[in-house]
Amino acid sequence: DAGVTQSPTHLIKTRGQHVTLRCSPISGHKSVSWYQQVLGQGPQFIFQYYEKEERGRGNFPDRFSARQFPNYSSELNVNALLLGDSALYLCASSLNSNPSYNEQFFGPGTRLTVL
Amino acid sequence: AQSVAQPEDQVNVAEGNPLTVKCTYSVSGNPYLFWYVQYPNRGLQFLLKYITGDNLVKGSYGFEAEFNKSQTSFHLKKPSALVSDSALYFCALYGTGNTGKLIFGQGTTLQVKP
Repeated sequence: DAGVTQSPTHLIKTRGQHVTLRCSPISGHKSVSWYQQVLGQGPQFIFQYYEKEERGRGNFPDRFSARQFPNYSSELNVNALLLGDSALYLCASSLNSNPSYNEQFFGPGTRLTVL
Repeated sequence: AQSVAQPEDQVNVAEGNPLTVKCTYSVSGNPYLFWYVQYPNRGLQFLLKYITGDNLVKGSYGFEAEFNKSQTSFHLKKPSALVSDSALYFCALYGTGNTGKLIFGQGTTLQVKP
């Protein structure tokens, strides 16, 4: 079975540009979450989507937005890129939005470098 | 406030020896705790979870974790370390509010030497 897939693998942008990152969850999983992992730190929660609705949002500015499509895939958009947005962006999927019983399965990530 | 702490940046152990990677947590209510491993330039791989029940949880690749409510700890253990276990390990806690938010510790680098 295919795991969580993310595209692109690597991305280089300049300050002020916009970026779109994509994620396809494990087949049958309806929930997608996004995390930002800065070098040397643990992942930080950005968003969770379930059944195309936002279920949770972390402490990130409005430059960050996301959406989930009918096939449960998801996009993360970041506008007006800053140098500090350089990080590994991880997507995770789970069966549903109930955190009590469902571990999250992570994709390989997208490495974003902002110059 | 909910939080996870991994007090050791790095743990060094010789191959064949037992290993422990420490994690403590803070949460109101019942904790839902996880361990993940990250290899270089890779995403996170799920190792094990504690939801309820037995305090000793068994997971993938021979790892286990001991939940201790009185000490608010969830230490990762393995009886005999392998060189291939060398990686970055993260302890995580589900935040309250059913948002699907995992709160991660800072991570502990495990170095297993032959």
